Amino acid sequence: SAVISQKPSRDICQRGTSLTIQCQVDSQVTMMFWYRQQPGQSLTLIATANQGSEATYESGFVIDKFPISRPNLTFSTLTVSNMSPEDSSIYLCSVLLAGAADTQYFGPGTRLTVL
Amino acid sequence: QKEVEQNSGPLSVPEGAIASLNCTYSDRGSQSFFWYRQYSGKSPELIMSIYSNGDKEDGRFTAQLNKASQYVSLLIRDSQPSDSATYLCAVKEGGKLIFGQGTELSVKP
Repeated sequence: SAVISQKPSRDICQRGTSLTIQCQVDSQVTMMFWYRQQPGQSLTLIATANQGSEATYESGFVIDKFPISRPNLTFSTLTVSNMSPEDSSIYLCSVLLAGAADTQYFGPGTRLTVL
Repeated sequence: QKEVEQNSGPLSVPEGAIASLNCTYSDRGSQSFFWYRQYSGKSPELIMSIYSNGDKEDGRFTAQLNKASQYVSLLIRDSQPSDSATYLCAVKEGGKLIFGQGTELSVKP
C-alpha cells in the first residue's frame, strides 16, 4: 500500500468562498481520482485527475466548480469554488498504485462544512 | 445508468455469528469487484477484491462472486463488535469504481 495524505483534514468555510484540497502520495501512482461523499451517502466520483492535462469530469461535475490540477504523478489538488451549503461533504482522494493491479486506495478525506 | 445495489441496513448480528452482505450490479461486462469497510468518520479501506466466479477467503472474510446472476457477497465469520461499520460494494466499470450505497453492519456483544 502507500501513505496518502490530504490537507486540510477539515474546514469550515463561508458561502461564496473557495477551498483548495491537496492530495500527496508517497509511492508511484498510475491514476488519481477525486470523490465526494455527502452526509449519509455513498461515494460519487467527481473526476479523474490527469497528469499535465485537464481532468476528466463525470456527469454532473464541471471544471468551473471543481477545478483540478495534477502537476506530477504523486500530487493533485481539488478546488471547490463559490461554495454553498450543498457542497458540505467529505472529499476523498483515491489512487491506483503502480504495480498494484486495479486496487484503489483512499486518502483520509477532507471534511468540508459550508455555512 | 449502470448501478450497484446494496441493502442499506442496518444489519444487526450477535457477536460470533456470520454476517452476510449482498450486492448486485447491472453491467454484465464488469470484471473486477471490491469490498470496502468504512468506519464512521473514516475513509474507506479495502477488505477484498474478487475477479473470478466462486469464493475467495481471507481470514474471517469470504467474498463470493456469481457473474451469471450479477451478484457479489461478503461473509464475515465469527463477527466481532469491531466489525461494526458500513460495508461498501464497488464494481469497476470502464476503468472507474462505481459504489453501492453501503450496508451498515452492527455486531452486538
